[in-house]
Amino acid sequence: RKEVEQDPGPFNVPEGATVAFNCTYSNSASQSFFWYRQDCRKEPKLLMSVYSSGNEDGRFTAQLNRASQYISLLIRDSKLSDSATYLCVVNSNTGNQFYFGTGTSLTVIP
Amino acid sequence: DGGITQSPKYLFRKEGQNVTLSCEQNLNHDAMYWYRQDPGQGLRLIYYSQIVNDFQKGDIAEGYSVSREKKESFPLTVTSAQKNPTAFYLCASRTGVRGNQPQHFGDGTRLSIL
Repeated sequence: RKEVEQDPGPFNVPEGATVAFNCTYSNSASQSFFWYRQDCRKEPKLLMSVYSSGNEDGRFTAQLNRASQYISLLIRDSKLSDSATYLCVVNSNTGNQFYFGTGTSLTVIP
Repeated sequence: DGGITQSPKYLFRKEGQNVTLSCEQNLNHDAMYWYRQDPGQGLRLIYYSQIVNDFQKGDIAEGYSVSREKKESFPLTVTSAQKNPTAFYLCASRTGVRGNQPQHFGDGTRLSIL
């Protein structure tokens, strides 16, 4: 079983739409969770950390469900510039390694 | 500017040749990591280092070697034993070695076989 699993998509949504991605993780002892954004042929860039109580940054909202071992990312009012691959990242139970999902592809259509 | 610098951006390897990818950071980060990304796949950990002169194997260390002689530098050598080296290589670093600090990435090196 993979450490982190994501729906690869692709998600094609119109501008202004709300879209949500989920990611499941296998290690119940994991403590840190992140969402990264990766543009085509570029490096991943940190989008946001995910906190136990959930957190919001502008149009982006991240949630953690420890009981079901998944994290989610909600994007409201999608912009063309949101088109990218979104990577879910979970750390190991020792805290010093990170496991990456394969990414979910999002295309926002005019 | 503070950041993580990887070089070269593109690298070509001949059969039987060892090549070294450079990763330098001026963020005073303790931990550094090397990942490999293949098309349609997630990042896979090659090696990581939490302190100078110490490093640990990741999930796919075979055919690779690293050194950490200075805090700011973590070069990766792709040896001739790595039979399928074509990939996008990413170096990352973070402050601290445990806890919830995220990783930050350099802009990567694309390695291809000649």
